[in-house]
Amino acid sequence: DADVTQTPRNRITKTGKRIMLECSQTKGHDRMYWYRQDPGLGLRLIYYSFDVKDINKGEISDGYSVSRQAQAKFSLSLESAIPNQTALYFCATSDLHNYGYTFGSGTRLTVV
Amino acid sequence: GQQLNQSPQSMFIQEGEDVSMNCTSSSIFNTWLWYKQDPGEGPVLLIALYKAGELTSNGRLTAQFGITRKDSFLNISASIPSDVGIYFCAGYSGGGADGLTFGKGTHLIIQP
Repeated sequence: DADVTQTPRNRITKTGKRIMLECSQTKGHDRMYWYRQDPGLGLRLIYYSFDVKDINKGEISDGYSVSRQAQAKFSLSLESAIPNQTALYFCATSDLHNYGYTFGSGTRLTVV
Repeated sequence: GQQLNQSPQSMFIQEGEDVSMNCTSSSIFNTWLWYKQDPGEGPVLLIALYKAGELTSNGRLTAQFGITRKDSFLNISASIPSDVGIYFCAGYSGGGADGLTFGKGTHLIIQP
């Protein structure tokens, strides 16, 4: 099994729908992150969590929310999806002493 | 926020050629990292650099942490078809910063 698992891998949803992207990890890392990737824009941080009781906004948090249900689980929600949220979404983890993130394989989200 | 300027944005090279890409910033970073993203997958860590002036190799890849701590470069020698992908630089400034800052990526395309 992958160290960082994202579900679903692909999702098409309609404008206005609520959608949740899930991330689970077996690395035992405390820190988890959600990034969005758009062509030519690189990786932009949406939200991050340094432990179960810690949630922080990143660069582009508007329109998104997160939940850290356990050390190993970090989910990203779009309360009312809009077309410009069409993108590739990545979850990543790291521990306190190693800044090298481990990424999941990504969720490709299309909002129509 | 902090920004990393990564160049070139894309490269079209012949198999066997050497490749060089770099990242610069107006801010100081304590750690520089280089990632590679294969199509349909999440980024994977290639090289991590933790000290100014550090030069580190990983097979045909060599990366350096600039003396000023504001830049880093990645070289790939004798490119092969599986080197195709998007290469990202990332920096960490420390002091409780909210995770890594990523460059926008260099898209490497190799012509046989």
